[in-house]
Amino acid sequence: GQNIDQPTEMTATEGAIVQINCTYQTSGFNGLFWYQQHAGEAPTFLSYNVLDGLEEKGRFSSFLSRSKGYSYLLLKELQMKDSASYLCATYNQAGTALIFGKGTTLSVSS
Amino acid sequence: ETGVTQSPTHLIKTRGQQVTLRCSSQSGHNTVSWYQQALGQGPQFIFQYYREEENGRGNFPPRFSGLQFPNYSSELNVNALELDDSALYLCASSPGQGPGEYSPLHFGNGTRLTVT
Repeated sequence: GQNIDQPTEMTATEGAIVQINCTYQTSGFNGLFWYQQHAGEAPTFLSYNVLDGLEEKGRFSSFLSRSKGYSYLLLKELQMKDSASYLCATYNQAGTALIFGKGTTLSVSS
Repeated sequence: ETGVTQSPTHLIKTRGQQVTLRCSSQSGHNTVSWYQQALGQGPQFIFQYYREEENGRGNFPPRFSGLQFPNYSSELNVNALELDDSALYLCASSPGQGPGEYSPLHFGNGTRLTVT
């Protein structure tokens, strides 16, 4: 089976840095995905980590530690538009289902 | 632009009725997945189709069924609707070649279903 845990809510201010953590237990790990979902909209793909380490993509970075079953999404220079739900996800072992955590709702204030 | 379109956007049904939700995937995407998302929750996996065959299913009863067509469109059918079926239903496609291909999913904006 699979289990994915992430904090329910986080708050931060404009210009700050925030780290959203995700822990997972899965049989047959095949990489970890991060998605962003604004209210009433479709989830959009942010990043995919399959090897340990940090992947940087503009203001967003994602980190993976396979031995610890742990990932985080790092958002720098926060903007109001970054207020959204951030979803952590992994595939099942067969690759037939992308399983999501419950999501972390980030609120950015001025 | 996601390239994945869903219809209708919103739908209201009565308990016990049947509903069909439609999705048009990006051209060339052979894999389509359907998810149910309750308010404040992450998407829950319903099932996945690859080349018109169901190849993965989540913890949903048989009254949830689907079809995938050769023209990259698909349907989600739900029979005997219950109040708890009220949710956002998301369709997602990927260019994956089938099981074992761990591609990102591209989501549509979803259909908001309300069951009264």
